[in-house]
Amino acid sequence: GAVVSQHPSWVICKSGTSVKIECRSLDFQATTMFWYRQFPKQSLMLMATSNEGSKATYEQGVEKDKFLINHASLTLSTLTVTSAHPEDSSFYICSATRGGADTIYFGEGSWLTVV
Amino acid sequence: AQTVTQSQPEMSVQEAETVTLSCTYDTSESDYYLFWYKQPPSRQMILVIRQEAYKQQNATENRFSVNFQKAAKSFSLKISDSQLGDAAMYFCAYRSARRAGANSKLTFGKGITLSVRP
Repeated sequence: GAVVSQHPSWVICKSGTSVKIECRSLDFQATTMFWYRQFPKQSLMLMATSNEGSKATYEQGVEKDKFLINHASLTLSTLTVTSAHPEDSSFYICSATRGGADTIYFGEGSWLTVV
Repeated sequence: AQTVTQSQPEMSVQEAETVTLSCTYDTSESDYYLFWYKQPPSRQMILVIRQEAYKQQNATENRFSVNFQKAAKSFSLKISDSQLGDAAMYFCAYRSARRAGANSKLTFGKGITLSVRP
């Protein structure tokens, strides 16, 4: 089956710095990628939808300038948490699809800890 | 907007027995997909089963089956012969059949934590 890989799996950064998380589709071209945030024992909260070559569509309440999403190619999307603060510590998951009714494939997730 | 409701936060089942996880949803669309995802402690999202709304037949995947009631907007998951490895968080999800970008997103319920007693 299709594989989506996230990197890094774990990252610790200092408060005030920026951190980038990558999401790659390894064996298919992902026209659409999604970024989620998940707190412990809670559901996945959609942050934004990104289509290759265009600006991401952010969900209501998600700060665009804080969570920068770039989908520069059909196999790579990045989430940059800018000026990170401890409250940004969370589990971030990406998913990707070829589009249309195609299956959505999930990455393994990335743990971000801001100290 | 579509909503997915999972009202039971936790359930427990004895190993080898059967358990049913409930899910209801709300939508004005007639064509859509419904899913059950499993999230074990590793946090990897695993697709358990998928149902197309236009299909009347309930989907099955080995020990997993659904009871899809379109008129009632209900989509429950039955796990038969429960195994220790079934212990996880389970999410019900909705996806529009419309194809453009953000319309293809998954809308998740709050999830239910299933524990399996040996």
